[in-house]
Amino acid sequence: DTAVSQTPKYLVTQMGNDKSIKCEQNLGHDTMYWYKQDSKKFLKIMFSYNNKELIINETVPNRFSPKSPDKAHLNLHINSLELGDSAVYFCASSQGLAEYNEQFFGPGTRLTVL
Amino acid sequence: KNQVEQSPQSLIILEGKNCTLQCNYTVSPFSNLRWYKQDTGRGPVSLTIMTFSENTKSNGRYTATLDADTKQSSLHITASQLSDSASYICVVTSQAGTALIFGKGTTLSVSS
Repeated sequence: DTAVSQTPKYLVTQMGNDKSIKCEQNLGHDTMYWYKQDSKKFLKIMFSYNNKELIINETVPNRFSPKSPDKAHLNLHINSLELGDSAVYFCASSQGLAEYNEQFFGPGTRLTVL
Repeated sequence: KNQVEQSPQSLIILEGKNCTLQCNYTVSPFSNLRWYKQDTGRGPVSLTIMTFSENTKSNGRYTATLDADTKQSSLHITASQLSDSASYICVVTSQAGTALIFGKGTTLSVSS
């Protein structure tokens, strides 16, 4: 019954590996997001998808590739992981743009790159 | 440059006491301001959302105020409880923007 869910909750991996984080929302929202929260707890948006189409792509390395198979899912694939990728990644969703509507966050995925 | 500054960075109070968290922003043109609560190990949860025409909004023991002229907002917590221990994040949206601008948050610790 969780509104926005992410898997896995924890991810520990070696530098250079490729990994994916999955996100699903059952709220019927049409817009989904990925955020990165660094060690200083600062949240920064990475991507935004509306109706499966990319509408925001902040300055992130192209090693990060979001994929939205349908409106309820937004997965994040990361290639060639680096130490600096260690952070907590949050998925979120909203009905319409979050600028005008309430945004719901998932529980986060803590990624640790060794 | 659009920025959101929060103060204090951290705060410790005794259970039952009140406290006020501050948020100053330079975002323009302004659309709305929201306060989130983020418990440790959890995602942020929305507390209040205010547009420029709203001066105050309450959600239980949480009351947010907004002064669009001075570009300041505050979040007042009444009769604090141990469960209020969390990070409180101020987020501002620009009418011209396509994303929300997050502050770095205030970490509140409520002790018994």
